[in-house]
Formats: sequence, C-alpha cells, structure tokens
Amino acid sequence: GIQVEQSPPDLILQEGANSTLRCNFSDSVNNLQWFHQNPWGQLINLFYIPSGTKQNGRLSATTVATERYSLLYISSSQTTDSGVYFCAVGLTGGGNKLTFGTGTQLKVEL
Amino acid sequence: ETGVTQTPRHLVMGMTNKKSLKCEQHLGHNAMYWYKQSAKKPLELMFVYSLEERVENNSVPSRFSPECPNSSHLFLHLHTLQPEDSALYLCASSQWTTRTGTESYSNQPQHFGDGTRLSIL
Repeated sequence: GIQVEQSPPDLILQEGANSTLRCNFSDSVNNLQWFHQNPWGQLINLFYIPSGTKQNGRLSATTVATERYSLLYISSSQTTDSGVYFCAVGLTGGGNKLTFGTGTQLKVEL
Repeated sequence: ETGVTQTPRHLVMGMTNKKSLKCEQHLGHNAMYWYKQSAKKPLELMFVYSLEERVENNSVPSRFSPECPNSSHLFLHLHTLQPEDSALYLCASSQWTTRTGTESYSNQPQHFGDGTRLSIL
C-alpha cells in the first residue's frame, strides 16, 4: 500500500517562531489533506490540497504532486497551535480512502 | 462545528457488553467512514460506506459491526470487545462522485466528527 511519512516526528517551538512540516508519499495521489488534532482529540481540517498552494491566515500549504510531497507552513506560532499535525492522502484510483501519516507532534511554548 | 456529530463522546464498557456508536452528518454527503486511532498509531480506516453500501472493510474483526441505514447516519455496533480495542473512534463523511463509464473518482475532502473515546475494562 501507499506509504505516508511525516517529518519531523516531534517539534518544540517558542511562541512567534515559524516552522515547516513535511509529508512524503510513495505513489500518485488525487487527495491530500492536512489536519490538526488538538489535545482533546478533535481532528480539524486545515487544507484540502491535492496540488498547488493555499493560504489560510498564519498557515499555508504547498503540494508538489509530481515530486510526491507536501509542506505545511506555520508562521508566528501560538500556544494554541500545539497538537498533532497529520497528513492524509488518497491514492489515485483508490476510491475515496485516506491513508494517514504518523503525524508531527508540535508543542509551542511561551 | 464540523457538521459531523458523534455520540457518545466517551464510553466505558466491559468485555461482555453490547453498545453502539452513532454518527450523523449534516453536510449532504453520500459517503461515510469509520476510523480507529489507537495510542501512538496513525488513524486506521475501518469501514467505508458509499450510498449506504459498504465498499470497504479493512479486515476488521467481526466484533465490530457497522450499519448505515441512510446517507446521514452511521452506526458502529460493538460486542465482546477486547482491551486492545480501547481507542478513539472517528467518523467522517465526504462527497464521493464517480464518472459514468470510467473508474475515475472525484475525491473531495473528508470531514471528521469529534470522536468517541472508548475504554474497555
């Protein structure tokens, strides 16, 4: 099956710092989503981005489908950004299944 | 408010109990999903329903029994569970479109509920 790898696995930032999270995948995809899971377990949709670049406030994401990776940028991080960030991909021709990466655990400190 | 509501939020049950998890979506989607998230593991897809038909069953033990009576509701019936089944169970929905005469799909983003945290004693 498709492999989805996220890096780094853990990240600690000072409030106000910027960061880049990476998602590599092993096959052609037609769906890619970034999620933020907060400490209460809620999974929040950040981006639906099978290709191209999108921005939403302090967050932006870029997917280069031909090179099989996606990046999530967090600027001016805040303590509320803490949690786990997941990348999930849907395989081209694979129906509507999502395969999740192992996540990046982010902690933003004051 | 994600448009996908799961109940209960927390459930503690013994191994011999029977209980059901409920999911309801208000987004007009035609596909619904159950995922399992165990500690220190990525989310794993359990079941997929499209137009109320089960289209995916990822080798899930028979002690988990899904039911999709209509496109807005999804249940997960639980019986004789094991301690390793303790996990966060997440429901999702999306719009799934297939193009007639081809095998291509129009993938749309999945929207998740807040989950049910299940503990097996």
